[in-house]
Parts: sequence; C-alpha cells; structure tokens
Amino acid sequence: DADVTQTPRNRITKTGKRIMLECSQTKGHDRMYWYRQDPGLGLRLIYYSFDVKDINKGEISDGYSVSRQAQAKFSLSLESAIPNQTALYFCATSDPRGPETQYFGPGTRLLVL
Amino acid sequence: GEDVEQSLFLSVREGDSSVINCTYTDSSSTYLYWYKQEPGAGLQLLTYIFSNMDMKQDQRLTVLLNKKDKHLSLRIADTQTGDSAIYFCAESLSGGYQKVTFGIGTKLQVIP
Repeated sequence: DADVTQTPRNRITKTGKRIMLECSQTKGHDRMYWYRQDPGLGLRLIYYSFDVKDINKGEISDGYSVSRQAQAKFSLSLESAIPNQTALYFCATSDPRGPETQYFGPGTRLLVL
Repeated sequence: GEDVEQSLFLSVREGDSSVINCTYTDSSSTYLYWYKQEPGAGLQLLTYIFSNMDMKQDQRLTVLLNKKDKHLSLRIADTQTGDSAIYFCAESLSGGYQKVTFGIGTKLQVIP
C-alpha cells in the first residue's frame, strides 16, 4: 500500500465552488506539505505543517486553506475555486531527521472551469 | 533568494549516458537532491548529496557537485526506456526545518 495517499485523484469543478483535497499518510511523519505543480513553474509550496497545532503558509497560500485533522491527515481547501487554480496538487511528508527528503503522494489533477 | 535552474528537455538514445544539469544560487545549501517523476505519479527521491561531497555514485546514477560553480549534475549510465521521466533538482539547508526549493524539472526522453 502507498505510504502517502491523496483523494480524489482527479476533480473537475466550476468557478466559485468550494472543494477539498485530502491527504493521508502511514509513514508516521510529523511534517506534511501541500504543493502545486504547473508546467514550466515546477513545484510551489502552498502550506506546510509540522504537527497538528503548527500550520504555516508557503509561497502561494492565497486562495487556499488547510486543516491538519491528525498526524496522518492534512487537507487542502479551495474556498472559491478559480480557473488559475487548475493544476496538479501534491501532498508530501518528511522526516525531520537527516536531509529534508520528501515523500510524495500520487497527486490530484484539478480542473476549474 | 534561492533559485534552482534546469533545462526543460533532454533526449537520448537507449544505451547512451544521460547527463541532466542543474544550477543553484544559494551558496549555503547543504543538501542537494534529485527526484524522479514518472507519468501520473508523484515525485520520488532518487538520491541526494551533502554539500561536503563532490561525488556520489549509486548503481547507474552518478551525482557530481561543483560547489564553486554551484552546479549539480545527474548522470544515468546505460539509459533505459524506463528512465523516461521528469527529473527535478532540489536544494535545502540543514538544521531544523529548511524549505526545499525545487527546479522546474527536466523531461528526459529515451529513444529506443
């Protein structure tokens, strides 16, 4: 079984709708992240969390919110989706010991019409 | 600020060596990483190198680090069609939490 899972894997929504992307991990890591991937822009960090009570904005947090429901769960919400939020979204975890190796989920492909 | 640059595309013939290059700007970077992204999947760590090393070899993969020029390369020997993917260079500092900065990714196409 995958260590980091994301649901849904694909989602089509309309402008103005609120949607939630979910992430679960079985690695036992405290650190979790949400990234978006856009062609030609690579990965950009949206939010990150070091534990259930620690949430931090990344470089592109506007228009997004997150919730860390438990050590294993970190969800990303788009309060009012807009077309330029169409992207591939990745959840990741990391272990604070040693290098910042990131373990990625399979991604959620989101299309906002 | 930190910046990691890579070329967008590389095409090689099966059996040849591939060399993917990366430059970074943060001279205090401690760890440099190579990730691989296969179609429809998330990124997966291939290897990393600590900044006090010049080279790291792992089977078909060789990582070279030139700290003076802030240049990192990934060499894949005997490239196979299964190596076709997007390769991301990344950097981070060490100690506590340190943001990982990713490059835009180099798409490697292996021609049979």
